[in-house]
Amino acid sequence: DGGITQSPKYLFRKEGQNVTLSCEQNLNHDAMYWYRQDPGQGLRLIYYSQIVNDFQKGDIAEGYSVSREKKESFPLTVTSAQKNPTAFYLCASSTLAGGYGYTFGSGTRLTVV
Amino acid sequence: GQQVMQIPQYQHVQEGEDFTTYCNSSTTLSNIQWYKQRPGGHPVFLIQLVKSGEVKKQKRLTFQFGEAKKNSSLHITATQTTDVGTYFCAGASGNTGKLIFGQGTTLQVKP
Repeated sequence: DGGITQSPKYLFRKEGQNVTLSCEQNLNHDAMYWYRQDPGQGLRLIYYSQIVNDFQKGDIAEGYSVSREKKESFPLTVTSAQKNPTAFYLCASSTLAGGYGYTFGSGTRLTVV
Repeated sequence: GQQVMQIPQYQHVQEGEDFTTYCNSSTTLSNIQWYKQRPGGHPVFLIQLVKSGEVKKQKRLTFQFGEAKKNSSLHITATQTTDVGTYFCAGASGNTGKLIFGQGTTLQVKP
């Protein structure tokens, strides 16, 4: 079965720590995306990548970093510079033209304790 | 930058009533997509509209794309409890595939 897998499902972080969220897809999609979801604010784009070893900032990239060393993988690191990291993080993938929509992972809920 | 606004933010209906959510973009879109997110779940792709004035139907759901390709709507006829969730529109401009999501409309259906 093709799909997109995010791990972990729940993550707790102490203030001042970096954490990395995993996102893996076996759909052979070229494009991958990271969104942040907060209540009442919809989905906001953090970073996206359309090709291996290349990525672009989205609307709220500050305090986050990504890498795209393999087509299948697009991990997101939430750094200590992100002032309000508690949120639901969604990874998605699509074909380059996006004509068949995004396929989303099941998300990672990050809580800063 | 490009913005996509969606209204209303919340809608409570009695089962059997109709429901409509509206989406407006600050720029002309190359396409618009609609997603549904069930409570506790992740967004799931419903449909894409590409042509000016396009109308598509999926059972009780009707999707429209405006003539100017800056607005869209989703209409559900005779809502059921299974329709509960948050409906997002998402617009793309150019051919990058990058989507800008609206804030979503959360639908509650009372049985």
